[in-house]
Amino acid sequence: AQSVSQHNHHVILSEAASLELGCNYSYGGTVNLFWYVQYPGQHLQLLLKYFSGDPLVKGIKGFEAEFIKSKFSFNLRKPSVQWSDTAEYFCALGEYGNKLVFGAGTILRVKS
Amino acid sequence: KAGVTQTPRYLIKTRGQQVTLSCSPISGHRSVSWYQQTPGQGLQFLFEYFSETQRNKGNFPGRFSGRQFSNSRSEMNVSTLELGDSALYLCASSLPQLAGGITDTQYFGPGTRLTVL
Repeated sequence: AQSVSQHNHHVILSEAASLELGCNYSYGGTVNLFWYVQYPGQHLQLLLKYFSGDPLVKGIKGFEAEFIKSKFSFNLRKPSVQWSDTAEYFCALGEYGNKLVFGAGTILRVKS
Repeated sequence: KAGVTQTPRYLIKTRGQQVTLSCSPISGHRSVSWYQQTPGQGLQFLFEYFSETQRNKGNFPGRFSGRQFSNSRSEMNVSTLELGDSALYLCASSLPQLAGGITDTQYFGPGTRLTVL
């Protein structure tokens, strides 16, 4: 069965630090990959998605992710985090029929 | 456009009861998916409905069921509630799946927080 692993469950950074959140998936076919974010008290929102083409995907709020097929990875990056980036981040793999398989999530806390 | 709406937002039930949750998708979206979010199991897919038909189903017992109406609104029902059913239930809507098996972007609602006592 397909699965998604997020290696860091909790990350604490200071403002202006760079961010990289790891995501690895297990699936041998064509992949659709997503990063969602859940800010405190808010619902899940899409940050970015990869379907095909350029493996470097840019999303909202300065986030980007790189799809590396040989490593089965889709890591999320941001060069300089802000206090407002404090949230839980979920990597997800799309399956047939609009089913999303989510990773366990990474809680990011940015210290001001 | 209005986002995905879910009602009620909070619900308290006792073991053995049943519950029905409602989801109204974004206008024009015809696919509705349901997820369960718990601290221990994370986000897990329950099922997806498209054009009033269940198209995909996750690994949940038969006590969890759903349906979709002709206006794309969806309901999910949990019968014989157990303590472990306490969770945030999320609904997500999307346009029909793109060609070639590509998963379309799903837009999530705020969820219904179910507490089973």
